[in-house]
Amino acid sequence: DAGVTQSPTHLIKTRGQQVTLRCSPKSGHDTVSWYQQALGQGPQFIFQYYEEEERQRGNFPDRFSGHQFPNYSSELNVNALLLGDSALYLCASSLGHQGETQYFGPGTRLLVL
Amino acid sequence: AQSVTQPDIHITVSEGASLELRCNYSYGATPYLFWYVQSPGQGLQLLLKYFSGDTLVQGIKGFEAEFKRSQSSFNLRKPSVHWSDAAEYFCAVGAGLTGGGNKLTFGTGTQLKVEL
Repeated sequence: DAGVTQSPTHLIKTRGQQVTLRCSPKSGHDTVSWYQQALGQGPQFIFQYYEEEERQRGNFPDRFSGHQFPNYSSELNVNALLLGDSALYLCASSLGHQGETQYFGPGTRLLVL
Repeated sequence: AQSVTQPDIHITVSEGASLELRCNYSYGATPYLFWYVQSPGQGLQLLLKYFSGDTLVQGIKGFEAEFKRSQSSFNLRKPSVHWSDAAEYFCAVGAGLTGGGNKLTFGTGTQLKVEL
């Protein structure tokens, strides 16, 4: 049973660039949530996708956007990168979008120079 | 708004000793509560969860946690720590089936060091 997978594992970008991160949910799951974890901090909720729509959003600017595909996989896009966007980006999947248990992927480590 | 406090940033215990990691939450209704563990450079692994019912929940790797509504706490315990338990531990609160979606709010984590 495949768990949550994310790609790439590491990424280096420069300020002002754009980045796309990808996530495939655990088999049978239909909801994907994205979190940002800065060094030494707990994960912060970015947004959640269900039925290809953004259902809930945390306190992140519009530079952060996403998409969910019909096969439930998801992308996180960040435009106009800032140094402060350097973090571990975690994807979590669940069956359902109303409080069900979330299972996390290994994350993508983004470094912005 | 929901919030989580993990008062201990670092904890060091000897292998074989007991462990308790503290977690206090703030949420207006009955919360969903979780403990996750994160090894260096890795994602989060679910240790256990509380949704309802018995307030003492058992998890993987010999961990347990007790939900105390009166104290707004959900402390994690293990009777005998193994060196492989060294990692960072996160407590999280969710809105549950109240229409609050899947948003989890995490504490800042407790780094556990195990001395041999």
